[in-house]
Amino acid sequence: GQQVMQIPQYQHVQEGEDFTTYCNSSTTLSNIQWYKQRPGGHPVFLIQLVKSGEVKKQKRLTFQFGEAKKNSSLHITATQTTDVGTYFCAGEGSQGNLIFGKGTKLSVKP
Amino acid sequence: DVKVTQSSRYLVKRTGEKVFLECVQDMDHENMFWYRQDPGLGLRLIYFSYDVKMKEKGDIPEGYSVSREKKERFSLILESASTNQTSMYLCASFGWNTGELFFGEGSRLTVL
Repeated sequence: GQQVMQIPQYQHVQEGEDFTTYCNSSTTLSNIQWYKQRPGGHPVFLIQLVKSGEVKKQKRLTFQFGEAKKNSSLHITATQTTDVGTYFCAGEGSQGNLIFGKGTKLSVKP
Repeated sequence: DVKVTQSSRYLVKRTGEKVFLECVQDMDHENMFWYRQDPGLGLRLIYFSYDVKMKEKGDIPEGYSVSREKKERFSLILESASTNQTSMYLCASFGWNTGELFFGEGSRLTVL
């Protein structure tokens, strides 16, 4: 079946360092979404990418969608302790449902 | 703001008990979902529904059933709870306008 692979599973960084998480799909995606889940919280929508090669920015967060629409990345510049949490990518499956990656858990050491 | 409300934040049940997890959304969304979240396994789709009385199996439907009698309410049912169903259960509602999933706060179920 369709799968969305996400790496790394965990990332520990010093505050101020950059962070990147990557998503790869076994099939072409019509769109990809990113969610953030704070510790003890629920996933919250960050952004959706639709176009091939699309790049979107939200302050220190940069999201990219690959040219083949099979991969995506989220990059955080100069991490802060408020960035702590698990970041999930999700691609739309053939049934219209979202298939989630397993998430990357980010910890930031002050 | 969209609100997705799950009936219980924490539940403790015994093996073999019947468990109901309820979810209500207030934005007239047609699509609703139930996921379970386990460490290292991410979010896995149990069931989803596109409309009242309609349901579709997700990736891990075994041991679960759902009910969608009203548009705003989507219930997850564990007919006979087992210890391997101890998990965090997340309900979500999909907004076509924004294309995003809105999640509830989650229900942490422990089956003893």
